[in-house]
This record gives sequence, structure tokens and C-alpha cells, in this order.
Amino acid sequence: GESVGLHLPTLSVQEGDNSIINCAYSNSASDYFIWYKQESGKGPQFIIDIRSNMDKRQGQRVTVLLNKTVKHLSLQIAATQPGDSAVYFCAENIEPNNNDMRFGAGTRLTVKP
Amino acid sequence: DSGVTQTPKHLITATGQRVTLRCSPRSGDLSVYWYQQSLDQGLQFLIQYYNGEERAKGNILERFSAQQFPDLHSELNLSSLELGDSALYFCASSSGTGWTTNEKLFFGSGTQLSVL
Repeated sequence: GESVGLHLPTLSVQEGDNSIINCAYSNSASDYFIWYKQESGKGPQFIIDIRSNMDKRQGQRVTVLLNKTVKHLSLQIAATQPGDSAVYFCAENIEPNNNDMRFGAGTRLTVKP
Repeated sequence: DSGVTQTPKHLITATGQRVTLRCSPRSGDLSVYWYQQSLDQGLQFLIQYYNGEERAKGNILERFSAQQFPDLHSELNLSSLELGDSALYFCASSSGTGWTTNEKLFFGSGTQLSVL
């Protein structure tokens, strides 16, 4: 079946460097995508979202890029900090008329001081 | 703090038993969602309620059921528990109806269920 997946299960970066976390989705009908951050012992926390009519959206230190041609989503974190260490999930809204968000497997980001 | 409260934080029980997980959404949110997070399946959508009514159903087993009460809190009931039901169960809430996209979910800290 169709699913959301991640290219890299783990990512280790140096503090201050930029991080890029990738996600592949297979449902071309998905019209809304969210990146969530999950720290140890906590629930997922909303980071940034993007609708399918956009290809880029920026937040504070984060940018999400959407490439519908290849069904690819990425999260860029600028000047990565130790507090960014967490598991990052991409999620897609596979049904346009409800909020059934399907989550990818997650990427663990580790920031080295 | 997301504003979503889940109790209990940890639950240890035996196979065949029944448990109830409780969730209080953020103040003002009418939609409640339940997710299961396990190591092999990741974060799986179970079910959504809006203002007391079931709105969407995902990969929820027949042994599981949920409801949302008039005060908007929700309970997830898990029965005839199996070892494979051990997981982290999250509740999330949103201010939307669930009929439209672009609804940010606010997650609680989860209930860790261990079935022995």
C-alpha cells in the first residue's frame, strides 16, 4: 500500500551545521504535509507544515521543501543546536476530507557539540 | 506543554486484560485523535472524534474502542490485550473539525502500555 517513508533513519550533525532530513511519500493525492519533532519521553510536536500548492515554506530556523514531481519532502534546520536532537517525522494527509495524518518511520537527529 | 493531558503515564497489565486510557484535549479543542506508536509500526492513526462523534477511523482493531464524552475528554478502551499491544498510545487534539486539512495536532505525552 501507499506509505510515507524516510531515506535516512539516523542523522548525526555538528552543532552549528545545517541539517537536512528527507521524506518520500507515495500518495500523489496528498495535499497537506507536516513535520513533527519528538523528543524522548514526549509526544510529537508540530514544527512546520506545507500545502501541496506550495513548494517551500520557511519558519524560524526551519524550511520545508516539497517536490511533487518526485514526491519528496525535506526539512532543513539551520544552525542546528543540541536542543534539536530528536526524532523527526513527516506526515501526510492522505484523505483530502479528513485529518487522517499518516506518519513516516522517523529520523533520529543527533547533534554533536 | 501542549495542553493535552493523558493518564496514566504508564500502565502494566497482563494478556487478556482490559484497560482504559484517558485524554483531556486542549481547552477549546473539539477534535480528539488517538495514535499508537510501536517500534515496528511507527506512529499509527487509530481513530478521531469530533464533538462526541466518531469522525475518522484508521488502523484500529476491533478489540479497541473509543469514545468522546460531553465534556470533550476521550477514553480509549483496549480489551483482550495481547503482547503485541504493548506500545505508546498518544492522544492529540485540534481546534478543527477534521473535515478539512491544515489542522495542526497537539499531542499529549502518551501512555506507555506494557502487556506482560
